[in-house]
Amino acid sequence: SQQGEEDPQALSIQEGENATMNCSYKTSINNLQWYRQNSGRGLVHLILIRSNEREKHSGRLRVTLDTSKKSSSLLITASRAADTASYFCATDAAGTSYDKVIFGPGTSLSVIP
Amino acid sequence: DTGVSQNPRHKITKRGQNVTFRCDPISEHNRLYWYRQTLGQGPEFLTYFQNEAQLEKSRLLSDRFSAERPKGSFSTLEIQRTEQGDSAMYLCASSLTGGSGDTQYFGPGTRLTVL
Repeated sequence: SQQGEEDPQALSIQEGENATMNCSYKTSINNLQWYRQNSGRGLVHLILIRSNEREKHSGRLRVTLDTSKKSSSLLITASRAADTASYFCATDAAGTSYDKVIFGPGTSLSVIP
Repeated sequence: DTGVSQNPRHKITKRGQNVTFRCDPISEHNRLYWYRQTLGQGPEFLTYFQNEAQLEKSRLLSDRFSAERPKGSFSTLEIQRTEQGDSAMYLCASSLTGGSGDTQYFGPGTRLTVL
């Protein structure tokens, strides 16, 4: 079963605009990660945010985490055509002794040049 | 560091045939994971290894599926008597320690098509 659920399912923006994707999850977590997957290729890890963190930045990426609402957002600023990809949030399960992560269905982002 | 590699990249087989996929993780990583991904969905966890020990198997992994990591390095995933529903991308990932928050590095995947 999928723990995370991304919203929207698909997003289309013009190059240079900002893109915001949201992720909601169901159970307590230790951390939440965002991955990117270009068409037909493997997943690339973007950023990890721990349950005791509220915001994290990496280059043009900004991730927020609200554990009270069980939600996270990924903001990509000044988008580029190369950002076109599917974006997945992945959560682990707090209280477990292993780091199995569960992926959501993803948001498909199209950046139009 | 050459990353995680998977072979073959594509496999087309007829229903009822057996197939085997190979994953070579990043050399110093002791955790290895298998996922299955269908179109429009996120990867679904299948199983993982700590060194050569298989520590967990998903309910998705029916008796037709078996995974091994004999020497704690590369891993194989075998599907026996393939069914059309097995058609998917099979992804392998590895991580260094497996601790909470340890980043998993993914291979490019093996795309299986069962005719």
